[in-house]
Amino acid sequence: EIVLTQSPVTLSLSPGQRATLSCRASQSVSNYVAWYQQKPGQAPRLLIYDTSNRATGIPARFSGSGSGTDFTLTISSLEPEDFAVYFCQQRSSWPQHTFGQGTKLEIK
Amino acid sequence: QIQLVQSGAEVKKPGASVRVSCKASGYAFTRYGISWVRQAPGQGLEWMGWISGYNGNTDYAQKFEGRVTMTTDTSTSTAYMDLRSLRSDDTAVYYCARDSHAAFDSWGQGTLVTVSS
Repeated sequence: EIVLTQSPVTLSLSPGQRATLSCRASQSVSNYVAWYQQKPGQAPRLLIYDTSNRATGIPARFSGSGSGTDFTLTISSLEPEDFAVYFCQQRSSWPQHTFGQGTKLEIK
Repeated sequence: QIQLVQSGAEVKKPGASVRVSCKASGYAFTRYGISWVRQAPGQGLEWMGWISGYNGNTDYAQKFEGRVTMTTDTSTSTAYMDLRSLRSDDTAVYYCARDSHAAFDSWGQGTLVTVSS
């Protein structure tokens, strides 16, 4: 089973700052990585699919990059509503999927 | 708009079974699969399995093989997830999600299943 490891576990930043979240796979997953945002009491929301494609309605401040085993979600300038938990997901053996353990983005 | 509406919260005793439903609307049900994901309190997301909306083919996470069954009713655009032999560590919020192949692009609101004696 492919394991996804996210870092850091918690990221403390202020509004307006740039956030960089990392997701590392235990073996190559090509570009088959998605990112989700989850706020307390809500279902996850798709942000990015296939490494760098923004989902419908997702603001341009969210971007994704990477390939193989190392992937990054970048939020260029944090808005108050961006503070949440972020999960990466891989689908290289679709329909099997695995998720990372999450990164909590908190207000500093 | 695309909607996935799940059934309500459940409380079950250890050893019992639970069925969670997920009614889809706003898209052609048979053109997409449904994945089920669960989240234990304060924990991350765990993929449980997938079912094709087209032909009912399934693929389960190894951890749940033998204990989970996923089905669909195309006449009502509804997916079902049955989990048997419940244990306390099955206490979680269970989500259904539309699987576009690339990602899970729409999610149900979640169903809390509590397993307690």
